[in-house]
Amino acid sequence: NAGVTQTPKFQVLKTGQSMTLQCAQDMNHNSMYWYRQDPGMGLRLIYYSASEGTTDKGEVPNGYNVSRLNKREFSLRLESAAPSQTSVYFCASRTLSAPNEQFFGPGTRLTVL
Amino acid sequence: GENVEQHPSTLSVQEGDSAVIKCTYSDSASNYFPWYKQELGKRPQLIIDIRSNVGEKKDQRIAVTLNKTAKHFSLHITETQPEDSAVYFCAATISGTYKYIFGTGTRLKVLA
Repeated sequence: NAGVTQTPKFQVLKTGQSMTLQCAQDMNHNSMYWYRQDPGMGLRLIYYSASEGTTDKGEVPNGYNVSRLNKREFSLRLESAAPSQTSVYFCASRTLSAPNEQFFGPGTRLTVL
Repeated sequence: GENVEQHPSTLSVQEGDSAVIKCTYSDSASNYFPWYKQELGKRPQLIIDIRSNVGEKKDQRIAVTLNKTAKHFSLHITETQPEDSAVYFCAATISGTYKYIFGTGTRLKVLA
């Protein structure tokens, strides 16, 4: 039981390059989330997927797209990376029923030059 | 929209003293309130949580209290130790919904 896994752990991009961050969970959770964490700004929701087949924008969706490939996997794509997207990205998952705890992946540290 | 306010943003205490972090939520329908601890370079991890039908919950040196009327909840850490130094996040959510609103975090420093 690996919980929530993310790849890659680190990535350096040049402005304008694209990349996809991968996330998978093996806890049979319905909901999955992508957050970004910047110094002093807490966790900001980029996109979420309440259940398989649905995705919705969160607080800061501009510049990102997502795909809920199946119940296990939820990917985040940067089509044209910008320096403002330098951040640590966390994927998370939870079940909608109790106990409601949200589980986080280990994070991806992304630098855009 | 819904939000969770968290105070203070930074907190320094002497080892052995107590630390208190407070959060206020706006959505009265919220019924689950977790606290996460995030050590430097690591993922946030749940340390304690409380449901709206309970006023207080304790787990060794940490406790959480909830005041539904005032819509605020607090994390209490007693006999602080250097390993308690981390960023702490509160959150509020409604069972059965996607919403999971985080506070902005408190950086706790325990001075030896």
